[in-house]
Amino acid sequence: NAGVTQTPKFQVLKTGQSMTLQCAQDMNHEYMSWYRQDPGMGLRLIHYSVGAGITDQGEVPNGYNVSRSTTEDFPLRLLSAAPSQTSVYFCASSYGGVETQYFGPGTRLLVL
Amino acid sequence: TQLLEQSPQFLSIQEGENLTVYCNSSSVFSSLQWYRQEPGEGPVLLVTVVTGGEVKKLKRLTFQFGDARKDSSLHITAAQPGDTGLYLCAGARGAQKLVFGQGTRLTINP
Repeated sequence: NAGVTQTPKFQVLKTGQSMTLQCAQDMNHEYMSWYRQDPGMGLRLIHYSVGAGITDQGEVPNGYNVSRSTTEDFPLRLLSAAPSQTSVYFCASSYGGVETQYFGPGTRLLVL
Repeated sequence: TQLLEQSPQFLSIQEGENLTVYCNSSSVFSSLQWYRQEPGEGPVLLVTVVTGGEVKKLKRLTFQFGDARKDSSLHITAAQPGDTGLYLCAGARGAQKLVFGQGTRLTINP
């Protein structure tokens, strides 16, 4: 099992550009989530999904879109990148909810 | 406003010393989790506490959930350099949302 994988590991964007952060898991987990981690802020929930076709907003959803067409994949889209979105993004998955989440290695995003 | 307040935010101690990290909130959580994160990696779950007053031990680490399920503590006995890392507490709001504290960056000096 590869667990939770994220691509790319590092990305530099210009303000206004769009991009998609990829997240995949091979553990047949129903629950997947996206967090951003900023210095002194811990991790903050962006969006989450309890299964294919179902997504919901977390604590800081503005500027981000998600979709869940398959159980394995949960991409995060930045529609028009802003410097405030400079952060480290983590994807996580679990069988049924926030209990025992497995985190990916993260994507470090810099928006200039 | 941080829903979960961790203290201290930074802690640097000598090998062999004991330490306690606190995680406090005015909100009640259905469960509370503790994670450890290494540089360049995602957080890894250490323990989940569910019942008020619950105490769990993981080798030299002792985790306690407050009676009112609003706070928690992590105590490390005889700290070792391998304990160095970022420790995060996270409270579950129902089954689908997790709220994290700011983290405690722990450094154990040989």
